[in-house]
Amino acid sequence: DTEVTQTPKHLVMGMTNKKSLKCEQHMGHRAMYWYKQKAKKPPELMFVYSYEKLSINESVPSRFSPECPNSSLLNLHLHALQPEDSALYLCASSPEVADYSNQPQHFGDGTRLSIL
Amino acid sequence: GDSVTQMEGPVTLSEEAFLTINCTYTATGYPSLFWYVQYPGEGLQLLLKATKADDKGSNKGFEATYRKETTSFHLEKGSVQVSDSAVYFCALPTRGNTGKLIFGQGTTLQVKP
Repeated sequence: DTEVTQTPKHLVMGMTNKKSLKCEQHMGHRAMYWYKQKAKKPPELMFVYSYEKLSINESVPSRFSPECPNSSLLNLHLHALQPEDSALYLCASSPEVADYSNQPQHFGDGTRLSIL
Repeated sequence: GDSVTQMEGPVTLSEEAFLTINCTYTATGYPSLFWYVQYPGEGLQLLLKATKADDKGSNKGFEATYRKETTSFHLEKGSVQVSDSAVYFCALPTRGNTGKLIFGQGTTLQVKP
């Protein structure tokens, strides 16, 4: 069973729509991540939250807006996306961020996003 | 900077064949090393990990040994099954309190009955 839950599993939206992706974990982890993954490629990091504060933004376009309402929840708000934004969006969590951490990240099954 | 190099795929094997997927890394320090697996339509799952030199991680019949002298963490399994068909990623965490992971490019494994 996946300990990181993502909803929805699939999302189709037009370029003018606004939608949100949701992620939830109940492992008490204090670091949460958003990744974008294209087919057969490794995940690309987008954002890192540590103790509910945004610690890393990997130069992601402003049409992606993350939010961490509490230590268990992570949202990704989407607005005015482009066709090239179609991808699998993965959420992950880990106990905390650390130097050369030996704590693995736990991934959800992702939201498959298609932009029309 | 730190990096991971993973053998290119796809790798196609018959059931019960021996599997090796090569992974080498460069790092300024002594990071932990991970293998993740991604089954079709799913997210990444941790397959195994090793936290220091000469450690052997193992899970579900897969093994990998952290070799500092050759900077390698090759994944092996003695007898693959059709259900092992997936994409495999080697990964290491970065230096500094960032939480970032450096992934290899991924190796697609297809096992035929």
